[in-house]
Amino acid sequence: EVQLVESGGGLIQSGGSLRLSCAASGFSVSTDYMTWVRQAPGKGLEWVSVIYRGGSTFNADSVKGRFTISRDNSRNTLYLQMSSLRAEDTAMYYCASPSRDGLWAFDLWGQGTMVIVSS
Amino acid sequence: DIQMTQSPPALSASVGDRVTITCRASQSIRTSLAWYQQKPGRAPKLLIYMASNLQSGVPSRFSGSGSGTEFTLTISSLQPDDFATFYCQQCEIFPWTFGQGTKVEIK
Repeated sequence: EVQLVESGGGLIQSGGSLRLSCAASGFSVSTDYMTWVRQAPGKGLEWVSVIYRGGSTFNADSVKGRFTISRDNSRNTLYLQMSSLRAEDTAMYYCASPSRDGLWAFDLWGQGTMVIVSS
Repeated sequence: DIQMTQSPPALSASVGDRVTITCRASQSIRTSLAWYQQKPGRAPKLLIYMASNLQSGVPSRFSGSGSGTEFTLTISSLQPDDFATFYCQQCEIFPWTFGQGTKVEIK
């Protein structure tokens, strides 16, 4: 079965760091691209970060310089290293991916992991 | 950044109604647009990609159209399972951006 399973969320103080993981099964994280999307409580979806097959990464302005996306192909896992966390980073964090090359949309999603930043 | 503006923000409709949601981009995104459905406490689900392509397994009552800056998601006959929040998303230009969502409620 193809699935993504996030972990690593929790309660963290403002200014702290946290690393989220997204373990993939049934397909490779070295696909076209993989991404993180977040959703603050009661709010809409916000794209956060993407890593392409070749290793290029792009981030939303709101997390630039603070969040780093990476992957470990041997562990088939995607990561999001978050530092200098702020209250406004409080959200459910989803990893998402296309299930096939050339699909410019996210048809695979994890269940999400919740990050709460306390001020 | 490209702003994605959905309308309406919310709507009330009955089972069997035809529902149309609009998404406008602040600049041309060609057909680099996807539509997602999200139910409370769940991850989003892909409905439409590249503006008009129905994702495998999604009922044919869902359809998408548009290009450039104006896009629509249509549900031809609303079903009980369709009550949810719908989001458009552009992947043409970084940063990728989502619309603010349209909540479809039962009338």
